[in-house]
Amino acid sequence: SQTIHQWPATLVQPVGSPLSLECTVEGTSNPNLYWYRQAAGRGLQLLFYSVGIGQISSEVPQNLSASRPQDRQFILSSKKLLLSDSGFYLCALVSGGQIESEAFFGQGTRLTVV
Amino acid sequence: AQTVTQSQPEMSVQEAETVTLSCTYDTSESDYYLFWYKQPPSRQMILVIRQEAYKQQNATENRFSVNFQKAAKSFSLKISDSQLGDAAMYFCAHKDMRFGAGTRLTVKP
Repeated sequence: SQTIHQWPATLVQPVGSPLSLECTVEGTSNPNLYWYRQAAGRGLQLLFYSVGIGQISSEVPQNLSASRPQDRQFILSSKKLLLSDSGFYLCALVSGGQIESEAFFGQGTRLTVV
Repeated sequence: AQTVTQSQPEMSVQEAETVTLSCTYDTSESDYYLFWYKQPPSRQMILVIRQEAYKQQNATENRFSVNFQKAAKSFSLKISDSQLGDAAMYFCAHKDMRFGAGTRLTVKP
């Protein structure tokens, strides 16, 4: 079965520091991968998605970037964090390329920028 | 890109009663799927139900069912016999992984 691992669960970083959140996938190959940000009690904002190694699409231009160095690895990064980058970050996968395929989500990372 | 709209930020239901959560969407595609996901306090997202646009029959999963109106681009979720464990954020989503703003459901004992 497909599983998605996301870490760390909680992160507190100072303003101006770099960021690297990692998401890895097991049990499937060539999935579509997604990064979301969720403000407290709010909806899911799609940040980036990837349909393959090295292929990144950005939904919202901002202080973040994403990379997919391996088929089952998706990384969210920032060179200098802003206070507004605080939030709950979720990684998700959809496998098989079928339109009926459900998404599987990681457990999320709560990022607080101080 | 598709858009998904949930116009109810919060809803409340009495335990054992029925509640309906609304969702509308916009798409130019003819064949697609729509999904409802649940996010409990643990924040782990899980699939509740999915509906194929070509199917006229509304999807049903135990106490959860949808009212899919393709022409109106409406996709509402009905929860029957509400239980305390149903309390969560509910998100409507198009197959392209764009989500609505969510509806927070409170279940009163």
